[in-house]
Amino acid sequence: EADIYQTPRYLVIGTGKKITLECSQTMGHDKMYWYQQDPGMELHLIHYSYGVNSTEKGDLSSESTVSRIRTEHFPLTLESARPSHTSQYLCASSLTVGNIQYFGAGTRLSVL
Amino acid sequence: ELKVEQNPLFLSMQEGKNYTIYCNYSTTSDRLYWYRQDPGKSLESLFVLLSNGAVKQEGRLMASLDTKARLSTLHITAAVHDLSATYFCAVDIVEGGSEKLVFGKGMKLTVNP
Repeated sequence: EADIYQTPRYLVIGTGKKITLECSQTMGHDKMYWYQQDPGMELHLIHYSYGVNSTEKGDLSSESTVSRIRTEHFPLTLESARPSHTSQYLCASSLTVGNIQYFGAGTRLSVL
Repeated sequence: ELKVEQNPLFLSMQEGKNYTIYCNYSTTSDRLYWYRQDPGKSLESLFVLLSNGAVKQEGRLMASLDTKARLSTLHITAAVHDLSATYFCAVDIVEGGSEKLVFGKGMKLTVNP
């Protein structure tokens, strides 16, 4: 079973607020990913990291930012939340290129 | 740009029946993954297919990969209600030194008693 944790699970906030979604894994995986998933839709990669101090933007343009200061921690930050950011955010990690990605439980974000 | 297409996107079937769902992709890849997602939950890995001709089976599900046809199938045998979920296929590609998973839209399966 994968040990990857996301907090909070649910978040309802007002427009303009700054928020950070937390993701931690205890598997020692170098590679970590953030996906955005609207209800009933496919996943879109928004950020990924291949290791400490490495971050890249994914295929879907996102106004969020990420950091990777420690191997186990990959937080995602929205400086000023908007209703268009309402979605589910899924964090994943993998050991190496081509390995299975293990997913966290997700954060459901609603911006009012 | 890699496209991953799943067919069908919605399936309602009776318990005990068999069915095959399809995942087509548009560029060369030797690695394909199947995931299951229950409503409101995260993704659970089902199968990893790493080469042409790979076949994996778990319970009532069997997945296969034909890299020449760029096609993976997920076969359901004697469906039961517990298989109701959304099934995603995802193709692994490497672009510019970066590895990415590109997901299909998902196939929502409902198994009726």
